Amino acid sequence: QEKVQQSPESLIVPEGAMVSLNCSFSDSASQSIWWYQQHPGKGPKALISIFSNGNKKEGRLTVYLNRASLHVSLHIKDSQPSDSAVYLCAVSLNTGNYKYVFGAGTRLKVIA
Amino acid sequence: EAAVTQSPRNKVAVTGGKVTLSCNQTNNHNNMYWYRQDTGHGLRLIHYSYGAGSTEKGDIPDGYKASRPSQENFSLILELATPSQTSVYFCASGEGGQNSGNTLYFGEGSRLIVV
Repeated sequence: QEKVQQSPESLIVPEGAMVSLNCSFSDSASQSIWWYQQHPGKGPKALISIFSNGNKKEGRLTVYLNRASLHVSLHIKDSQPSDSAVYLCAVSLNTGNYKYVFGAGTRLKVIA
Repeated sequence: EAAVTQSPRNKVAVTGGKVTLSCNQTNNHNNMYWYRQDTGHGLRLIHYSYGAGSTEKGDIPDGYKASRPSQENFSLILELATPSQTSVYFCASGEGGQNSGNTLYFGEGSRLIVV
């Protein structure tokens, strides 16, 4: 079964810092990788996804995927206090049934 | 923006009682999912559905049943609730499809405490 590991478990940074979050997965045939943001007491919300090896940039977010090393990272530029949340990595299984396996998350706190 | 509504938002149940968590989506998505979220485990898939009348077992289905009577509604049923089922439950919907498809849209969660 697909395993998704995220690191670090938690992170505290000053406002304006670059944030780097890591996610490792176990199946190189995994179809796509998503990052979700979850604020306290709320449901997760999709941020950005990547399907092909390489990188993808959307606004302050950049995601890097390396299938050979089974690793994906999310980088948040110029972090803001509103970015404080739990970030979940989700990996879709290459089974055609649209199931996702989630990591345990990284808790980010951005201090003003 | 896709809308997924869960009810109840909070529930206290007694051990051995029956609990039904309901989910409604107005996005006309084919796929719907029930997850539970516990500290240290992230989101774990309980049941999912590809459309009305279908239910599939997820990774942790034991002790749970699911029902998809219509495109819009997907319920999670705990026939005999146990304290180990105390958790926050999330419903999600998704369009399905390869690559750029199947963004999951989550509800706000249902917090269940079994005493």
